[in-house]
Parts: sequence; structure tokens; C-alpha cells
Amino acid sequence: SYELTQSPSVSVSPGQTVSITCSGEKLGDKYVCWYQQKPGQSPVLVIYKDTKRPSGIPERFSGSNSGNTATLTISGTQSMDEADYYCQTWDSSTVFFGGGTKLTVL
Amino acid sequence: QVQLQESGPGLVKPSETLSLTCAVSGYYISSGYYWGWIRQPPGKGLEWIGYMYHTGNTDYNPSLKSRVTISVDTSKNQFSLRLRSVTAADTAIYYCARREAYCTGGSCNSVWFDPWGQGTLVTVSS
Repeated sequence: SYELTQSPSVSVSPGQTVSITCSGEKLGDKYVCWYQQKPGQSPVLVIYKDTKRPSGIPERFSGSNSGNTATLTISGTQSMDEADYYCQTWDSSTVFFGGGTKLTVL
Repeated sequence: QVQLQESGPGLVKPSETLSLTCAVSGYYISSGYYWGWIRQPPGKGLEWIGYMYHTGNTDYNPSLKSRVTISVDTSKNQFSLRLRSVTAADTAIYYCARREAYCTGGSCNSVWFDPWGQGTLVTVSS
């Protein structure tokens, strides 16, 4: 099995930059994607293949992955970005999700 | 635009079988992609259940593999989930989703899910 670890919560002020991390053994050797889930809604893909943004996702969302840590960065955070964020990877034909990080925009 | 919609009973008794269907619109399942299920217990994180290609290839979460069957009905453009011998721990919102992948040289090294259905809450209780 493989474990992805995320901090339970992070907070940011509007307009600031926030980083949400996801750690796992040699995670940089795998591809990571990120989902945003707002209360009562389905998850939405915001980053795939470490750094790629799907169409319709704002440029303020970016991703990186190196070593044991993948990072989702939101620049110029807006109140609408308040949500839970989940990382996900794939290894040996198995999908693994991180536990999720609750982002609060204060 | 691809859309997915889950349907099925919202209440299942312990030890019985949970059955859900995901109707796909805007894309023919037989044209490609894997189609899968993910669940989320109330207030908790996401758990992958499994996915299936229209030709029958499947991958399941090892922790659920003994109880799960995913099947595809291309004539109805839908796919289904069956989870046997359920307990209260199987209470969750169940999502269906299309699996996308990055594959090179005949092997894949990245998968992700997009889009997702709206989800359906299934409660296991007598």
C-alpha cells in the first residue's frame, strides 16, 4: 500500500498565496493530481500530471512535485477558493488519495 | 460536454448488496476511457473503489476487491457498481467519474478523474 499525507487544515488571507502539501515516499517519481471540493459539491479536478491545469481552472492554481512532496499553490487566493483539497496519485494500478486539507480564507 | 448521474437506493440493509448505476451523457462509453467509482463517508475523505473499461478490463481497490463488481452496459450507455455484504462502514456518498490517463509506450503512469457525477448518499442501516 501507499500513503499520502496532507495537513488537515490551512488558512490564508484574501489576496495572499497559500501552499497545500501532499507527502509520500518518493512521490516525485509519480504523477500527482489535485481536486477541489466545496461543501455539498462533487470534487473538481484543478491540477493533473503534477502541473497541468484543466480548461476552465484559473491560472492562480499551480502545482509542483519533487522529492517526497507535491504542492498545490494558489496565488492571489479568493474567498471562492475556500474548500477541501485532495491530492491523488496512482501506483501499481491502484489509486491513492490523500486525507484532504481544509483551506480557510480568513 | 460529458455528464454523469448516479442513481440507486439510498438505504441498504446490513449484509445485503448495494447497487448503483451511473448514466453517462455526452459521450459513448464504448468509445473509450475507463469509468469508475469513488466514495466518501460523511465528513471524511475520498476512497477509490474501482474502474472498468468497456471491453471488461477492471481494476479494484485491493481492500474492497472481494466484495466489488463494476460492470458496463454500452447499450444503455451506463455502468454499475455492486458492493456485497455491506456494513455501516459502507455508508458514504458514492460518486461515479470518468478516468483519464497519461499513457506512453503501452503503459500508463498517471490517472485522474474528470468529470465526476453529483454523488448519491447510500446509508447502510436496518
